Amino acid sequence: DVKVTQSSRYLVKRTGEKVFLECVQDMDHENMFWYRQDPGLGLRLIYFSYDVKMKEKGDIPEGYSVSREKKERFSLILESASTNQTSMYLCASSMLGNEKLFFGSGTQLSVL
Amino acid sequence: AQSVTQLDSQVPVFEEAPVELRCNYSSSVSVYLFWYVQYPNQGLQLLLKYLSGSTLVESINGFEAEFNKSQTSFHLRKPSVHISDTAEYFCAVSNFGNEKLTFGTGTRLTIIP
Repeated sequence: DVKVTQSSRYLVKRTGEKVFLECVQDMDHENMFWYRQDPGLGLRLIYFSYDVKMKEKGDIPEGYSVSREKKERFSLILESASTNQTSMYLCASSMLGNEKLFFGSGTQLSVL
Repeated sequence: AQSVTQLDSQVPVFEEAPVELRCNYSSSVSVYLFWYVQYPNQGLQLLLKYLSGSTLVESINGFEAEFNKSQTSFHLRKPSVHISDTAEYFCAVSNFGNEKLTFGTGTRLTIIP
């Protein structure tokens, strides 16, 4: 079974802090994605990566950056956390040319 | 750009009754369509998908969805629901050759015993 692991289930940070959300997949997938999930808004794509060191902006990249130094790891970075970034963050991966996404369990981030 | 509309944010259904969760999409090109399910405190997992061929697709746990190009719909149905079907269901679309999925806002299915 494909496993997508997000390092933290719950995270509480203060406004202005730099926050790192980590995601690791164990199936050698080329594509990796970061979504945020908010009630009534569904899932919105923040960034995705289709190869090491490659990244593309999704629909809501403002306030976020990403890093993909190794194929299995995709990090989401909040340079200066704000309260409107309180959300559930979901990481996903997929094979190149395959739209089936495998999701992690999510990180519930609260910014106070 | 593609988009997905799930008009029903919550659907309560009695156990063993039928259910339909509605999904409409918008795209200027040909699409792939998906339903993902999120059980409580879990990540999303793929329920079923339409890529090509038969417009009726089925999942292993009794759900089915039909691709209707003229109505731009991909409604999810189950003839008899079970308590274990309680979850949030997300419809998603991607364009041919584009691996980015666009998700709808989700429908929370609640099964009433």
